[in-house]
Amino acid sequence: DTGVSQDPRHKITKRGQNVTFRCDPISEHNRLYWYRQTLGQGPEFLTYFQNEAQLEKSRLLSNRFSAERPKGSFSTLEIQRTEQGDSAMYLCASSGRRDYEQYFGPGTRLTVT
Amino acid sequence: RKEVEQDPGPFNVPEGATVAFNCTYSNSASQSFFWYRQDCRKEPKLLMSVYSSGNEDGRFTAQLNRASQYISLLIRDSKLSDSATYLCVVNPPLYNTDKLIFGTGTRLQVFP
Repeated sequence: DTGVSQDPRHKITKRGQNVTFRCDPISEHNRLYWYRQTLGQGPEFLTYFQNEAQLEKSRLLSNRFSAERPKGSFSTLEIQRTEQGDSAMYLCASSGRRDYEQYFGPGTRLTVT
Repeated sequence: RKEVEQDPGPFNVPEGATVAFNCTYSNSASQSFFWYRQDCRKEPKLLMSVYSSGNEDGRFTAQLNRASQYISLLIRDSKLSDSATYLCVVNPPLYNTDKLIFGTGTRLQVFP
């Protein structure tokens, strides 16, 4: 399977704990995006990397959130001191050209109890 | 006003019917438009890009009306497998941004 992969697929954590998610983009894609989706809503943009450079961050991305893409390959999204409002599906997407067609991974469903 | 607005539905149609969804966007300078399909608890999948001249892919036809700032998706000869949420997506015209702005989706249920 050469699509976008994400790990873990599900994560249940207690409020206040830190969590980290991983995304592996399609191998030839240099652009990587993180989105968050809650029930009944469309995905909302969080952040974007071109190669290893983080070029844009949404105001949704509070200082408890950090994302990295070392070496321009896989990316990680860390949430510190999780809150119940962080419960959502975290989606990663990648793109290989500046035509904005983005391909999504299966997502990581986070539940904060 | 939301950047991308869609009727959430649900649209309940019988197999074989033709159904159309519309979506409006607020930024008149937006350049790229898409329809994504999302099944329950799955990731969005790109259905089709929307071009200025309109485009067709099998049973699916997408249209763009820049003057009225709306995008449409027409599905002909609906199949049970078309049941899903259809997300209207716009790329805003800010310099060097690749982010996509999603509508909340329109739910389609096709029944036998």
